Amino acid sequence: QVQLVQSGPEVKKPGASVKVSCKASGYTLNDYGLTWVRQAPGQGLEWMGWTSAYSGYPNYEQNLQVRVTMTTDTSTNTAYMELRGLTSDDTAVYYCARGSVNLEYWGQGTLVTVSS
Amino acid sequence: QSALTQPASVSGSLGQSITISCIGSSSDVGGYDYVSWYQQHAGKAPTLVIYEVSNRPSGVSNRFSGSKSGNTASLTISGLQAEDEADYYCSSYRSGNTPSVFGTGTTVTVL
Repeated sequence: QVQLVQSGPEVKKPGASVKVSCKASGYTLNDYGLTWVRQAPGQGLEWMGWTSAYSGYPNYEQNLQVRVTMTTDTSTNTAYMELRGLTSDDTAVYYCARGSVNLEYWGQGTLVTVSS
Repeated sequence: QSALTQPASVSGSLGQSITISCIGSSSDVGGYDYVSWYQQHAGKAPTLVIYEVSNRPSGVSNRFSGSKSGNTASLTISGLQAEDEADYYCSSYRSGNTPSVFGTGTTVTVL
């Protein structure tokens, strides 16, 4: 069955970087797009970007594109999301989800806390 | 990015029907049939309940239905049950630099 398993919680200092992984099983990552979504405490869902199944190239939310990089390791069927220059506003649960517009399978979420 | 507009909260009694609206523009909801709805229980990852405006994924109750008129999409939950109490988010494909956007979210309370 399709599963997305994400890496564990992270605590980072302001200005640092974080890299969250998302390991897929039950299907091949490159056969579908992969989307990253985040949710700050008590807030709504925020679309961060996706990697297209068709082009393989990422497409980032405009306000994040200078700080975020989304990659895929086909040898391990794992996707990664790296966010640089962290501030307290980046404290959130980060989710990966299969697809681009219909997100049918989601990872369990990774809590990233940014605190000095 | 400007989010799609949803009511902050909607409530209904057990067995009743409720409808959640999702207001966008011709660049997103009104321009494409790629509207999805997600249910999120507290502390859990979201789950897809409607895709491409009105389609239900396998395993989702037929009490959930979706529709669209102009720039407004809607999610209707009929025969409201206690387990429907959750947050609901719409999402749409959007033309331009940011190709996808979520709604502001709606908290459904079952009275």
